[in-house]
Amino acid sequence: GQNIDQPTEMTATEGAIVQINCTYQTSGFNGLFWYQQHAGEAPTFLSYNVLDGLEEKGRFSSFLSRSKGYSYLLLKELQMKDSASYLCAVLDSNYQLIWGAGTKLIIKP
Amino acid sequence: DGGITQSPKYLFRKEGQNVTLSCEQNLNHDAMYWYRQDPGQGLRLIYYSQIVNDFQKGDIAEGYSVSREKKESFPLTVTSAQKNPTAFYLCASSQGDSGEAFFGQGTRLTVV
Repeated sequence: GQNIDQPTEMTATEGAIVQINCTYQTSGFNGLFWYQQHAGEAPTFLSYNVLDGLEEKGRFSSFLSRSKGYSYLLLKELQMKDSASYLCAVLDSNYQLIWGAGTKLIIKP
Repeated sequence: DGGITQSPKYLFRKEGQNVTLSCEQNLNHDAMYWYRQDPGQGLRLIYYSQIVNDFQKGDIAEGYSVSREKKESFPLTVTSAQKNPTAFYLCASSQGDSGEAFFGQGTRLTVV
């Protein structure tokens, strides 16, 4: 079967750095996405990795290791508005998105 | 502006009634999707369509039906056969092999 694992919840302090991990086992791999979802709203696109390595975009970075089936999302200089759920999704061999359950990130002042 | 529109944002229905959720996109995307999200949970795929007049069941299709008569539109009907229909419903579209999903604002359905 296909499986994506993320921690259910994480807590971090405003101004700090947090790393959200995602491990996956899927039928093929055509890329990995990270989305941000605020409560009661639709997910919004954050990043896409298809090759190994780190992709940096402002305060957010995403890393991929295909051999390990592993990715992480790194958030720097945390702000209160970063409190949200972060969803990891893998594009499988049929170009279907397989979604993780999401990680709820709580930012404390 | 291109985008994907779901309506309404909030919907209330009595138990036993069918209800149809609207989803329209003007992104010219071929693929469209319906997801269900329960509190604290991830996205579960209900139905998807990769081309007009064709659609496939997702992981939790029972109690739901869809149609894809036009490229722009992919309405979802929640039937009385769906045992627990109260949830947040998200429609999405994507183009080709890019995979990136664009979401509508979601419809929160409450069945009383």
